[in-house]
Amino acid sequence: DGGITQSPKYLFRKEGQNVTLSCEQNLNHDAMYWYRQDPGQGLRLIYYSQIVNDFQKGDIAEGYSVSREKKESFPLTVTSAQKNPTAFYLCASSPRTGAQHFGDGTRLSIL
Amino acid sequence: AQSVAQPEDQVNVAEGNPLTVKCTYSVSGNPYLFWYVQYPNRGLQFLLKYITGDNLVKGSYGFEAEFNKSQTSFHLKKPSALVSDSALYFCAVRDGRNTDKLIFGTGTRLQVFP
Repeated sequence: DGGITQSPKYLFRKEGQNVTLSCEQNLNHDAMYWYRQDPGQGLRLIYYSQIVNDFQKGDIAEGYSVSREKKESFPLTVTSAQKNPTAFYLCASSPRTGAQHFGDGTRLSIL
Repeated sequence: AQSVAQPEDQVNVAEGNPLTVKCTYSVSGNPYLFWYVQYPNRGLQFLLKYITGDNLVKGSYGFEAEFNKSQTSFHLKKPSALVSDSALYFCAVRDGRNTDKLIFGTGTRLQVFP
């Protein structure tokens, strides 16, 4: 079945550590997105990519980095510079002018 | 700047009754509007979208939404609520003409009581 796969489902980060969240899609979508969701808040855009080898900062990019070397993959790295990383992270993809499709998220916590 | 508002944090409705989840928007130009649903510890699932055409849009799971240009609203509706409809609902609007970026509302929690 086509879809978006995020891994791992749960992730723990130690102080000073970078961690990478995986997002893979087999929908042949050009655009991919990373969102952060905190309790009681909507989704906030971290980074997005409309085409391979190109990406743009969203509203809360500080402390995060991404790459888009393949159409299918858009990994997110949460760096040690992100001081409050505990959240639910959602990846999405979309065709041009279409609705976004979401993965089932990665919940990141601090040890 | 584009924006979307969901004025209710929570909506409670009895099973079998009609439900409405409210959304208002502010955009320059024609709005592209979306509704999504989120179940606990899951991603968002697409319900329906309005781009152009009929003001009443039908979507998944028996949901529909009414686009009202004069009131700048896009309320989500269902004629008869189910307990299984209990979830978090998000309204979203496209952030401009030449982008697929979405701006999401803060979400409305729907609770359907048996």
